[in-house]
Amino acid sequence: AQKVTQAQTEISVVEKEDVTLDCVYETRDTTYYLFWYKQPPSGELVFLIRRNSFDEQNEISGRYSWNFQKSTSSFNFTITASQVVDSAVYFCALSRLIIQGAQKLVFGQGTRLTINP
Amino acid sequence: EAQVTQNPRYLITVTGKKLTVTCSQNMNHEYMSWYRQDPGLGLRQIYYSMNVEVTDKGDVPEGYKVSRKEKRNFPLILESPSPNQTSLYFCASSLIAGAGNEQFFGPGTRLTVL
Repeated sequence: AQKVTQAQTEISVVEKEDVTLDCVYETRDTTYYLFWYKQPPSGELVFLIRRNSFDEQNEISGRYSWNFQKSTSSFNFTITASQVVDSAVYFCALSRLIIQGAQKLVFGQGTRLTINP
Repeated sequence: EAQVTQNPRYLITVTGKKLTVTCSQNMNHEYMSWYRQDPGLGLRQIYYSMNVEVTDKGDVPEGYKVSRKEKRNFPLILESPSPNQTSLYFCASSLIAGAGNEQFFGPGTRLTVL
């Protein structure tokens, strides 16, 4: 069965600290995609990154970086020098094809990140 | 502006009173789906649609109906809402149904059923 686990329910750090959000997934598919979404207090879902199962290169985008390791089925997200505006709920998700070519996003439970000034 | 819109954004209703949450996208996307978000559970897929007149159940379809008569619209219907359907609902769309395609989410509809 497909499953995404975000074991950290809540994280609270002081501004400028680095913070890593963990994501562990389970799938039997050989082809799949992993995503991270941000949900700020306003409630909308903001797409952050997509990574396919054949690309294990780490990615950096400004203060954000992602570490994808197939060997441990993990796709962790690190924020460097955190800022108050980073406070949000972050979701990790696994996308897979289901019957008839339809896709489904399987979400983790989310991690609520609070950055304190 | 390319977007997914949902209406209403907030709704408080009573048990058994039929309601419809509308979803519309202006990106000519083929694939649309509905999710509900509950604390500790993340988002779970309710229904999806690969194109006009093609819909299918997701993980939690009980108590919901959908229709896809036009490409841009994908309404979510609760024929007889119950308190356990109190949740935050998101509509999403993507260009086609491939697993790697980014899904664009609407702003969400917060539903409370008393």
